[in-house]
Amino acid sequence: KQEVTQIPAALSVPEGENLVLNCSFTDSAIYNLQWFRQDPGKGLTSLLLIQSSQREQTSGRLNASLDKSSGRSTLYIAASQPGDSATYLCAVRPNDYKLSFGAGTTVTVRA
Amino acid sequence: DAGVIQSPRHEVTEMGQEVTLRCKPISGHDYLFWYRQTMMRGLELLIYFNNNVPIDDSGMPEDRFSAKMPNASFSTLKIQPSEPRDSAVYFCASSTGTVIGEQYFGPGTRLTVT
Repeated sequence: KQEVTQIPAALSVPEGENLVLNCSFTDSAIYNLQWFRQDPGKGLTSLLLIQSSQREQTSGRLNASLDKSSGRSTLYIAASQPGDSATYLCAVRPNDYKLSFGAGTTVTVRA
Repeated sequence: DAGVIQSPRHEVTEMGQEVTLRCKPISGHDYLFWYRQTMMRGLELLIYFNNNVPIDDSGMPEDRFSAKMPNASFSTLKIQPSEPRDSAVYFCASSTGTVIGEQYFGPGTRLTVT
């Protein structure tokens, strides 16, 4: 069974600092990996999706890398802002459509 | 597009009552997913459909839970009878069947069973 782990569980940084969020998974036979953002009491917003054949994806201040062989992905958020405060979840997808989620990293960016 | 629509947004019910949660996927998406999120277990996939047909319901916790998709634009998740341990946020998501298959989530229904 696929296990997805996100470390750290919580992170607090001053505004302007770069954020590094980690995700690891036990089974490297994945189809893709998706990073989501969840605000309190809200649904999930897709941030980036990396196909298994890709090494990284970028969108604005966000960059996600994928090392499938070692079972790791990292989400970088450059020049953090208070509006980046949220919980970030990673999810891996095997060859079917069943996403396995990590528990998330809760980020607080202090103004 | 309005995105994935779920109703109600909040539901409070008494133990033993029937609860029905509703979802309208994004138009053109042929995959629909029901998830449950709790503090203890995080996000869990309950069931998913392809072209209105249930493909995998192995995540449905017990027979009290049932899901239907009578057409491409509507799905329901029913709990009968409800129990306090069913209290959670239930999300619906949809995606296309393309290679990418990015999933788009609805805002969720917060269910409280007293």
